[in-house]
Amino acid sequence: EAQVTQNPRYLITVTGKKLTVTCSQNMNHEYMSWYRQDPGLGLRQIYYSMNVEVTDKGDVPEGYKVSRKEKRNFPLILESPSPNQTSLYFCASHLGTGAHEQYFGPGTRLTVT
Amino acid sequence: QKEVEQNSGPLSVPEGAIASLNCTYSDRVSQSFFWYRQYSGKSPELIMSIYSNGDKEDGRFTAQLNKASQYVSLLIRDSQPSDSATYLCAVNKRVGSARQLTFGSGTQLTVLP
Repeated sequence: EAQVTQNPRYLITVTGKKLTVTCSQNMNHEYMSWYRQDPGLGLRQIYYSMNVEVTDKGDVPEGYKVSRKEKRNFPLILESPSPNQTSLYFCASHLGTGAHEQYFGPGTRLTVT
Repeated sequence: QKEVEQNSGPLSVPEGAIASLNCTYSDRVSQSFFWYRQYSGKSPELIMSIYSNGDKEDGRFTAQLNKASQYVSLLIRDSQPSDSATYLCAVNKRVGSARQLTFGSGTQLTVLP
């Protein structure tokens, strides 16, 4: 089954404790993205990747890091989480140029206290 | 000015009526336009895409695009309670060699039985 998976689905952590949210897709997609969703603000892109070892900032990259060492995986790293990073996070992927449908993962609800 | 603007709602329509959802965008170079449906606590799913001016119909859904007015809309005919969700307008534009998908904040639709 074609899908994007994220782990964990729910996470409660404390300020400053490094965490990683994993994202994996099995569709051989070139493009992958991370979004955060907050009430009234919609989906905002954090980082995106056009291929292995190629990443770039989205609209709200501050406080986040990503890496793309393999085509299927695109982890999101919060080196020192803060309460304002409490949000619902989605990973998404799509095939690339000419293909426009993004496939979203199930979401990770993160709470930073 | 937000890149993609939607009325946040909530929009309530009776079962069987036509629901009309509207979206405006600011960047004239935008090429592709999408409507995603998002149920509470779930990830967005693509329901319509439109690339050229005019109407595009798919079942009970019709997307309308007017690039001159920078306006895209979604009509849902014969609305059902199962259509109750948040509808996200998304605009895909080329940024350098990449494509970026920018989302509106969404319109919450409630279909009353």
